[in-house]
Amino acid sequence: GAVVSQHPSWVICKSGTSVKIECRSLDFQATTMFWYRQFPKQSLMLMATSNEGSKATYEQGVEKDKFLINHASLTLSTLTVTSAHPEDSSFYICSASPYTSGKLFFGSGTQLSVL
Amino acid sequence: DQQVKQNSPSLSVQEGRISILNCDYTNSMFDYFLWYKKYPAEGPTFLISISSIKDKNEDGRFTVFLNKSAKHLSLHIVPSQPGDSAVYFCAASPTGTASKLTFGTGTRLQVTL
Repeated sequence: GAVVSQHPSWVICKSGTSVKIECRSLDFQATTMFWYRQFPKQSLMLMATSNEGSKATYEQGVEKDKFLINHASLTLSTLTVTSAHPEDSSFYICSASPYTSGKLFFGSGTQLSVL
Repeated sequence: DQQVKQNSPSLSVQEGRISILNCDYTNSMFDYFLWYKKYPAEGPTFLISISSIKDKNEDGRFTVFLNKSAKHLSLHIVPSQPGDSAVYFCAASPTGTASKLTFGTGTRLQVTL
């Protein structure tokens, strides 16, 4: 099956700092990757669609200047949480698929805690 | 507006019995449905999917049923095993936007001995 690798798995940072999360497709090329966020006991919410070689598409209510997405290659997308605040503390998960159907493969997620 | 709903936040089933997890959706543009299993602090793992042209799909112990007229799908796990204990999310994808999934709120399944 397709493998999506996400790093780091957890990070603790001070308020006001920036944090970068990497998402890699290990055995397939992904022109599109998806970034989700999950707050405790809630559903996974799509934040943005990362497009290789072009700008990301953000869902309504997600600040594009706060959550910077870069998809510089067919196997790597990064999400940078800029000037992080405690309310940004959440579980961030990336996903991608080698298929045209909706069968997504997910990374292991990144637990971000902002102090 | 929650377009995909899982009205049961939790379910407890005895080992060996059938687990039935339910999911309802409101968007008639959804035509591809998936079930994912998730453990704490991990990403979801794909279980089974179904296209709107079918009403049933079976894979080992897992069967998904789709009732388009009722906008309802269900996941049956039989027999249930303790290792099935996890949070199960249903997800849906609309026509023309494959891979852009909308997730339900999840159902925590506990399989007891």
